[in-house]
Amino acid sequence: GAVVSQHPSWVICKSGTSVKIECRSLDFQATTMFWYRQFPKQSLMLMATSNEGSKATYEQGVEKDKFLINHASLTLSTLTVTSAHPEDSSFYICSASGMGLAGAGNEQFFGPGTRLTVL
Amino acid sequence: AQTVTQSQPEMSVQEAETVTLSCTYDTSENNYYLFWYKQPPSRQMILVIRQEAYKQQNATENRFSVNFQKAAKSFSLKISDSQLGDTAMYFCAFMKHGPSYNNNDMRFGAGTRLTVKP
Repeated sequence: GAVVSQHPSWVICKSGTSVKIECRSLDFQATTMFWYRQFPKQSLMLMATSNEGSKATYEQGVEKDKFLINHASLTLSTLTVTSAHPEDSSFYICSASGMGLAGAGNEQFFGPGTRLTVL
Repeated sequence: AQTVTQSQPEMSVQEAETVTLSCTYDTSENNYYLFWYKQPPSRQMILVIRQEAYKQQNATENRFSVNFQKAAKSFSLKISDSQLGDTAMYFCAFMKHGPSYNNNDMRFGAGTRLTVKP
């Protein structure tokens, strides 16, 4: 149980275009989803936290208008990178936590990540 | 704000030997959780072990165990009988405990790259 998927796993886009990444909880209701960014050989940096049906809370330094997050249902959150530039190339990981799951109260379950390359 | 420090960027160990990865953290919270995650080359984050701060007993999961020193804010991971499949990045993480979902964001250390040598 507690499986999280991401789609796509790998995307290449041209500079200036927008890219949408989906994060789905497959077997539980994710009341909260988190989006992380990971540069090569670095740690995960939290970008934003989203609760179903409400606006995302962004970490300091993360541009809200550039990284649009939507958490419209209890099983789906999307991250849209708008007007992507090469410096946005990174590995994006989502995680989800929900009600009634075993573990350390609101434990996060991670998706497999999405590699974004902006040319 | 909580910070997590992993002072060992890289470590190596011989197969079947034991290795300890260090982690320290800084917080003013009394109730929280600590985690060790493994990230293999596939980059999928895999939970290795977790510890609730209110529990004095150190957590153990098969070959993995922790040494949790709350007063010292230290949370080291010991891997016994190391296997080639243990080769990965290991991240220490901190999560506050609270009733609000906004309290459970996770903070990660910089990671330790562990290589198990045959």
